Amino acid sequence: DTAVSQTPKYLVTQMGNDKSIKCEQNLGHDTMYWYKQDSKKFLKIMFSYNNKELIINETVPNRFSPKSPDKAHLNLHINSLELGDSAVYFCASSQDYTEAFFGQGTRLTVV
Amino acid sequence: AQSVTQPDIHITVSEGASLELRCNYSYGATPYLFWYVQSPGQGLQLLLKYFSGDTLVQGIKGFEAEFKRSQSSFNLRKPSVHWSDAAEYFCAVGANNNDMRFGAGTRLTVKP
Repeated sequence: DTAVSQTPKYLVTQMGNDKSIKCEQNLGHDTMYWYKQDSKKFLKIMFSYNNKELIINETVPNRFSPKSPDKAHLNLHINSLELGDSAVYFCASSQDYTEAFFGQGTRLTVV
Repeated sequence: AQSVTQPDIHITVSEGASLELRCNYSYGATPYLFWYVQSPGQGLQLLLKYFSGDTLVQGIKGFEAEFKRSQSSFNLRKPSVHWSDAAEYFCAVGANNNDMRFGAGTRLTVKP
């Protein structure tokens, strides 16, 4: 039973399109995150939510909009995709500030 | 916000040799420290964590790490590396505001 699941695992799309990545956790955690991992493997936090409330919003373009319908879900919607958005996006969850459990990642390729 | 530095981008060790991966953090209060491992094409798996107490923590797969407050360090060690340890290793620091920051990662290559 997967703890943190993301869909889709792979996403190939053209520039200018709008796409969404879904994330669900069944751990009962209060906090969920989105991270972006670039080609150099650097993991950068994008957003964190606690009980559906936005806590951290790093300097991410407005084209990225997280949505948390409930504390078990944190989706990421990206408008007007650009080549530079190509990366692996990881969802994670944690309880308070303890260890984070990660999904398997979504590899986004913008062509 | 807190930050993490992993000075070594890439380390190569021979199988059976000992390993130490360096991690330095910056945070004003007591940090929550983690080491994660990422195998190619996979997500991140927690190796070990430090919250408080004994500064030498044991993790999975034979790894350990030592918290040194005076040096703001949390280095990861393993006495004898196996070929299956080849992966990307990330140090992370958590704060009590639901913010977890990662270092840039260290890629470990294991020579036969």
